[in-house]
Amino acid sequence: DAGVTQSPTHLIKTRGQQVTLRCSPKSGHDTVSWYQQALGQGPQFIFQYYEEEERQRGNFPDRFSGHQFPNYSSELNVNALLLGDSALYLCASSLGTGGNSPLHFGNGTRLTVT
Amino acid sequence: RKEVEQDPGPFNVPEGATVAFNCTYSNSASQSFFWYRQDCRKEPKLLMSVYSSGNEDGRFTAQLNRASQYISLLIRDSKLSDSATYLCVAFSGNNRKLIWGLGTSLAVNP
Repeated sequence: DAGVTQSPTHLIKTRGQQVTLRCSPKSGHDTVSWYQQALGQGPQFIFQYYEEEERQRGNFPDRFSGHQFPNYSSELNVNALLLGDSALYLCASSLGTGGNSPLHFGNGTRLTVT
Repeated sequence: RKEVEQDPGPFNVPEGATVAFNCTYSNSASQSFFWYRQDCRKEPKLLMSVYSSGNEDGRFTAQLNRASQYISLLIRDSKLSDSATYLCVAFSGNNRKLIWGLGTSLAVNP
C-alpha cells in the first residue's frame, strides 16, 4: 500500500523562475492538500484539490496554482519565485474533504530559491 | 490571538518522565482535533485523532476540554525516540478548515 509520494525531493531555483512539484496520494485517497513549511514554523495551508477542482485556498498569492488529475495525483506550480518561497512543500492526502479524515503526508520537496 | 496556540517549548525531560502539552483553540465550532509529530526536517506523521472527549494509545493520551477550549497530549514513560515537535490541529466544521499550531518541541534526554 503506497503512501504519499512527492517529487522531486530537493530543488534549487533562482528568483523569477517557475517550479512544478508533484504528488501522488496514498492509495484510496481522493483529496490532496498542499502545505508550505518554513523552518521552525508549522505547516501553512496553500490549497486543497478534490474532484480535480480547487476546493479551499489559504492566504497565498495567485503565483501559487495547482492541478489535480483524474488519477487523483496533483501538481503545485509556483511562478515568479521569490527568495521567501524557500521552504519545505508538503503534500497531504485524505479521503474526502470533510476534515475528519486525518492527513497523510509525503516526505516533502525542499525548495531553495537563490 | 492565533486560532490554535501551543507553547513552543522546548520541553527538556529525562527518559521515563511524564510530560504534558496543552493546545488552546479559539474557534468554539472546532469539531475534531489531531496531534501530529514531526521529526527534524521530516514530514508530520499522525499520532492521534480526537473526536470526542479524548483518546489513548499506549503511552500517549489526548484529552479534550471543550468548555475551556483546549486539548492536551500526555506522554508517559518518555523515550529518547519521542524527541520531536508535536503539532496540534483543529478542524472547524463551520468553515471546514484545518488550523495548525506552530508546534511544541520536546527533547527527551538520557
